[in-house]
Amino acid sequence: AQSVTQLDSHVSVSEGTPVLLRCNYSSSYSPSLFWYVQHPNKGLQLLLKYTSAATLVKGINGFEAEFKKSETSFHLTKPSAHMSDAAEYFCVVRGGDSNYQLIWGAGTKLIIKP
Amino acid sequence: NAGVTQTPKFRVLKTGQSMTLLCAQDMNHEYMYWYRQDPGMGLRLIHYSVGEGTTAKGEVPDGYNVSRLKKQNFLLGLESAAPSQTSVYFCASSYNRVHEQYFGPGTRLTVT
Repeated sequence: AQSVTQLDSHVSVSEGTPVLLRCNYSSSYSPSLFWYVQHPNKGLQLLLKYTSAATLVKGINGFEAEFKKSETSFHLTKPSAHMSDAAEYFCVVRGGDSNYQLIWGAGTKLIIKP
Repeated sequence: NAGVTQTPKFRVLKTGQSMTLLCAQDMNHEYMYWYRQDPGMGLRLIHYSVGEGTTAKGEVPDGYNVSRLKKQNFLLGLESAAPSQTSVYFCASSYNRVHEQYFGPGTRLTVT
């Protein structure tokens, strides 16, 4: 069975400093992994995805994530936070014989301090 | 190109009332999904459809029914609403099971 754990429910950083949002996954199969972002009172937008190609994945708005199989991690990073990055971020895994189903983490709320 | 739209955006129901949420997509996607989002939890799949005329249960299907009479529309019904169904409901669609899912803006439902 697949599962996703986002290690922090809230992360607070100052504008201009690096962002790290942590995600660990469990999957019996070679997984596909995603990060989605949800801005306040908005829908969900795909930031980036890993589908067994390059382990370092670049996404929109300067975000990137690295797939580390040995650590079963897929952490999201950004070198310099911007006020517009304040949002909730979801790590998602898809894998196994039921490829249609996405398994969602509980979310990490990113707070940007001016 | 509107993408995925949901109707209504907000709704308040009394316990026992019924309602239907409408999801429409204009991307000619085969797959459509209904999720619910509750505080402190990730999205959970209620029902999904792999094509016109098909539906299947997801992780939390109890208390909900769905229909996919037209390829572009996916309806979610609550026959007898309960306070436990207070949630934000998201619809999504994708070209197939591998491709990215595109999400609608959500419907905030409160059951009193």
